[in-house]
Amino acid sequence: GIQVEQSPPDLILQEGANSTLRCNFSDSVNNLQWFHQNPWGQLINLFYIPSGTKQNGRLSATTVATERYSLLYISSSQTTDSGVYFCAARMGGGSNYKLTFGKGTLLTVNP
Amino acid sequence: GAVVSQHPSWVICKSGTSVKIECRSLDFQATTMFWYRQFPKQSLMLMATSNEGSKATYEQGVEKDKFLINHASLTLSTLTVTSAHPEDSSFYICSASARGAGTGELFFGEGSRLTVL
Repeated sequence: GIQVEQSPPDLILQEGANSTLRCNFSDSVNNLQWFHQNPWGQLINLFYIPSGTKQNGRLSATTVATERYSLLYISSSQTTDSGVYFCAARMGGGSNYKLTFGKGTLLTVNP
Repeated sequence: GAVVSQHPSWVICKSGTSVKIECRSLDFQATTMFWYRQFPKQSLMLMATSNEGSKATYEQGVEKDKFLINHASLTLSTLTVTSAHPEDSSFYICSASARGAGTGELFFGEGSRLTVL
């Protein structure tokens, strides 16, 4: 199956700083999603971005499908941005329909 | 976005008992639902894929007789942990794909935290 790798595994920022999280995947994908897992464990959908660029407030994401990577940008970080960010990808239909998760990036934003 | 709801959020049970967790798609029909398990400080691992009206497909290493999955309708899938033991304590999360959706985006429930004493 597809392999998904995220970097860095841990990131500590001061409030107001910007950051970039990276997700590499091993095969062509037709689904690439970014999630934020809150302290209660719930996965919050940030972006559905199999290709191209999207922005939502202080967050934006870019997926370069031909080079098999995606980036999540967080600007002007806030303490509420803390948590684990997951990237997940799937290749296609049939037996490849399942979404495979990376190991996540633990972000800590200090005041 | 679409809403997926799980119940219960928390459950504590004694070793040897069975626990049922429900996953509902509230505003869309889901032909396919996925069950994941997450241990502390780890990523989400897919346990099984359930399709409405048919048997679930389990990932390698997941005991199908221990983790019973039923997807009896287009809005409800259930996971039953049978004869639970302390090592089954984990965070269980379901996700759903909208019927006929071209987006492919998956939506996740709030998760259910199981503690087996």
